[in-house]
Amino acid sequence: AQKITQTQPGMFVQEKEAVTLDCTYDTSDQSYGLFWYKQPSSGEMIFLIYQGSYDEQNATEGRYSLNFQKARKSANLVISASQLGDSAMYFCAMRVNTGFQKLVFGTGTRLLVSP
Amino acid sequence: ETGVTQSPTHLIKTRGQQVTLRCSSQSGHNTVSWYQQALGQGPQFIFQYYREEENGRGNFPPRFSGLQFPNYSSELNVNALELDDSALYLCASSKDRGRVNTEAFFGQGTRLTVV
Repeated sequence: AQKITQTQPGMFVQEKEAVTLDCTYDTSDQSYGLFWYKQPSSGEMIFLIYQGSYDEQNATEGRYSLNFQKARKSANLVISASQLGDSAMYFCAMRVNTGFQKLVFGTGTRLLVSP
Repeated sequence: ETGVTQSPTHLIKTRGQQVTLRCSSQSGHNTVSWYQQALGQGPQFIFQYYREEENGRGNFPPRFSGLQFPNYSSELNVNALELDDSALYLCASSKDRGRVNTEAFFGQGTRLTVV
């Protein structure tokens, strides 16, 4: 079964430090995509970064990078130079194809950034 | 901000009632997916509409139904509301059927409370 596991319910980091949010996935598909979303208290899911299974280089988007280790089936999100506005829930998701494509989400990690 | 808008933002209904949630997709996007996010959980896929037809469905009972209109906006209808239907309902739009190779844009969600 296709599944996303996020083992960190909560993470704390000081402003300007880097933080890594863990994500492991389970799939037997050869082609898949991995996403990270940020969800502030307002509820909207904000796309952060995407990694395709065939992408050889780790994806980067500004302060966000995705540490993709295919053999270990992990797709950790690294946020560099944390800011107070980074405090939110973070969800890892995987695109699965069961005749159509949908996203399967993990349970999320709550990140708190302190001054 | 994405171009996906949902209405209403908050809603309170009584058990047994029916509810309709609305989603306007981003311009140029012809696929709309609906997700249910219970408190403390990641979003769960409900169903997807592509060019006015249901394209795929998750593990939700038939009392969850939907529509997509010629302008690609969409409705989620829930009949015979139960207390467990209380959740944040998220709508995501993407271009081309389930083509989630790049980001799917989410709306801000509708928070439904069933009492």
